[in-house]
Amino acid sequence: GAVVSQHPSWVICKSGTSVKIECRSLDFQATTMFWYRQFPKQSLMLMATSNEGSKATYEQGVEKDKFLINHASLTLSTLTVTSAHPEDSSFYICSASKQVGTEAFFGQGTRLTVV
Amino acid sequence: GESVGLHLPTLSVQEGDNSIINCAYSNSASDYFIWYKQESGKGPQFIIDIRSNMDKRQGQRVTVLLNKTVKHLSLQIAATQPGDSAVYFCAEKGYSTLTFGKGTMLLVSP
Repeated sequence: GAVVSQHPSWVICKSGTSVKIECRSLDFQATTMFWYRQFPKQSLMLMATSNEGSKATYEQGVEKDKFLINHASLTLSTLTVTSAHPEDSSFYICSASKQVGTEAFFGQGTRLTVV
Repeated sequence: GESVGLHLPTLSVQEGDNSIINCAYSNSASDYFIWYKQESGKGPQFIIDIRSNMDKRQGQRVTVLLNKTVKHLSLQIAATQPGDSAVYFCAEKGYSTLTFGKGTMLLVSP
């Protein structure tokens, strides 16, 4: 149990376009979902925390108008990278928790390449 | 929290050796720690966790040691196998969020 799935696994988009990444909890309801970004050979950096039905909480330095997060249901959160630029190319990873403060389960990640 | 490094430390071992991966954490108030394994192109996988009221916890082939005095964690992997090759991260858990350490790449040669 506790499977988190991201879609797509990889995406290539043109500079200036927007791209949406989905994070789904397949066999549990996730009150809280987290979005991370990971550059090559670096650690995971938390971008934002989203709670179902409310606005996401963004970490310092993360532009909320560029990285739109929607957590409209207990099994789905989406991250939309708007007006993507090559420097947004990265590995984006989500995780989901059944309740605030409980164990988080990770998705397999999405490789975004902006050309 | 932890600063993010610009390079990944690497530990190279032979198959069958024991591996020890170290991690320093910054928040002395942290009371829960997790080790994750991340294979190339995949998300992190939970390996083992430890609470601050313990100094050692053992799993299958893995042991985590916690030294709160010097804010240091280690992950010991016994009889390392090629399938253990991956990047290993420690993470501190706050109330709801995780702060990841820099990571160590483990390379196991046959």
